[in-house]
Order: sequence, then C-alpha cells, then structure tokens
Amino acid sequence: EADIYQTPRYLVIGTGKKITLECSQTMGHDKMYWYQQDPGMELHLIHYSYGVNSTEKGDLSSESTVSRIRTEHFPLTLESARPSHTSQYLCASSPPLHFGNGTRLTVT
Amino acid sequence: KNQVEQSPQSLIILEGKNCTLQCNYTVSPFSNLRWYKQDTGRGPVSLTIMTFSENTKSNGRYTATLDADTKQSSLHITASQLSDSASYICVVSDRGSTLGRLYFGRGTQLTVWP
Repeated sequence: EADIYQTPRYLVIGTGKKITLECSQTMGHDKMYWYQQDPGMELHLIHYSYGVNSTEKGDLSSESTVSRIRTEHFPLTLESARPSHTSQYLCASSPPLHFGNGTRLTVT
Repeated sequence: KNQVEQSPQSLIILEGKNCTLQCNYTVSPFSNLRWYKQDTGRGPVSLTIMTFSENTKSNGRYTATLDADTKQSSLHITASQLSDSASYICVVSDRGSTLGRLYFGRGTQLTVWP
C-alpha cells in the first residue's frame, strides 16, 4: 500500500547526541517536506525538497539538515540535540499532500 | 500578512450532535483550502480540498464550505461519533510561488462525549 513512513515514532535522547529521523514514501512523490508541530500551534515548515539532490530551508530556523539522495527517502539529522528541539516532527510528500504519523522527540 | 485563523480553539459536544468549525484566512493569491483531521499521536489526514470555484464539498459526515469573497470556510460535522474526537486543521495554499506555499491554522480541538 502506498504510504509515507516515519521512524522512530518516539525518541528520548540526551543533550548533545546526534540523531537522524527517517522518512520514506512509496507514492513516487517528487516533493517532500519536514514540519515541526508543538501542541496547540500551527505546523511550521523547516525543510523541503523538490526532488533528488534538491533541498531548501523552510520558514522556521532550524539547526537540522536534510538530504535527498533517493526520491523515496528524506531523512532529517540533528548534529547535536538540545532540549529546545523537543517537539513533534512530521514528514509529508506531495502531490497531493500526505503526512506521515510523526516522530515525537524529547531531548533531556 | 498571510494568515489562517480557526475558531473555536476547542469544542466539546455530545455524541450524535452536529457541530461547525470555522476558518478565516487572508492568504492571497488563493489557490485552495483543505481541511485535515489529526488524531492524537498521528499525522494529519485530508478530509476535503476546495478550489476557488467550489463552494461546498462533502466527505461522508463531513461537509466543508468555502466563501472565497469573504475568505471564510467552515467544516460541518453531522451526527458526531466518538471517533470524531481530534484536532481539525485548516490549510490554505497560495499560488504565488512554485512551492504552492501552505498556511496552517492552529486547529480546533474537538472532543465528543458519550
């Protein structure tokens, strides 16, 4: 079944650790996105990609980086996690816009 | 400034009752408006999408309306069920860029009580 998958679903990690959030989609979508979502707040775009080897920063300043080596894969990396990175991270692809179930990240 | 405002922020209704959620936007130039349902701990799932020329669209018990002149949309839920408890997010897309920039509301948190 065509879908978008995010792993892990939940992650608790200590300050200073390097982490990679995985996102894969099987719909053949060219466009992929990473959003950050805090409770009661709107989604904020942190990275997007139009296709392979194309990545851009979004509106929200982020210390994360992304890569797009394959169409279906769009991982997000934090080189040194901080408590301020605690949030829900949603991956999406389009068209049409389709979201994964998110990664809930807690940095202690 | 392009914005999407949703009301109410939260809503509690009894099972079987109807409710209407509101979305006002200032996004211009307008491309389309979408309503998403987001269950706790899950990603948003699309309910409806409407373009400028459409003023109503239904998806089962969900009916969305759009007034592009007043820049208002509503999502009406009929005969609510416990499974309707979720956050409902209004998303407006502009057509002023190749990205098709998306503007998100903060959502309405709906709770359906038995």
